[in-house]
Amino acid sequence: GDSVTQMEGPVTLSEEAFLTINCTYTATGYPSLFWYVQYPGEGLQLLLKATKADDKGSNKGFEATYRKETTSFHLEKGSVQVSDSAVYFCALTADSGNTPLVFGKGTRLSVIA
Amino acid sequence: DAGVIQSPRHEVTEMGQEVTLRCKPISGHNSLFWYRQTMMRGLELLIYFNNNVPIDDSGMPEDRFSAKMPNASFSTLKIQPSEPRDSAVYFCASSLKVYYGYTFGSGTRLTVV
Repeated sequence: GDSVTQMEGPVTLSEEAFLTINCTYTATGYPSLFWYVQYPGEGLQLLLKATKADDKGSNKGFEATYRKETTSFHLEKGSVQVSDSAVYFCALTADSGNTPLVFGKGTRLSVIA
Repeated sequence: DAGVIQSPRHEVTEMGQEVTLRCKPISGHNSLFWYRQTMMRGLELLIYFNNNVPIDDSGMPEDRFSAKMPNASFSTLKIQPSEPRDSAVYFCASSLKVYYGYTFGSGTRLTVV
């Protein structure tokens, strides 16, 4: 079945460091790919998405490129801030209908000043 | 748009009591998803509805759990009787099409003592 694998956390970075959170997937067909972010005490929020190969999703300084050849959708940010401390979830849907998203287990990021 | 609205935000109840969690999806969204999140098990899909019809409840942990969606603007998740191991954060999410992404509510933090 479809699956998403994220790098294990937690990830601890100093402010202004470069961030990469790895995400790889297994899916039939041509999935749409997502990154969600969960700040402490809140629900998950859609951060960015990409729907076809070579698409780049971006939002709030975060970027991820849909790489079909490596089945990856790694999340990157050039300079993290303390306010980016959160849990990040990679997800996919390989369905054009309304079957649920398949989520990774989440990666906790802590940014220290 | 007020987003997905869940109530209550926090619920503390005694073991054996009935608990009802409520969700109002975004107007026009035709799919609704209930999730449970714990430190040990992460994010688990409990049940989802398309056009108010339950499609897959295989994630519901036991018969003590039930969910309904009587109309397009309201859903409930009920636990009867509640047990301490049901303590978790319960999220509701809705979508128009899953490949657009979900919108999550802020969650209900349930504590069963």
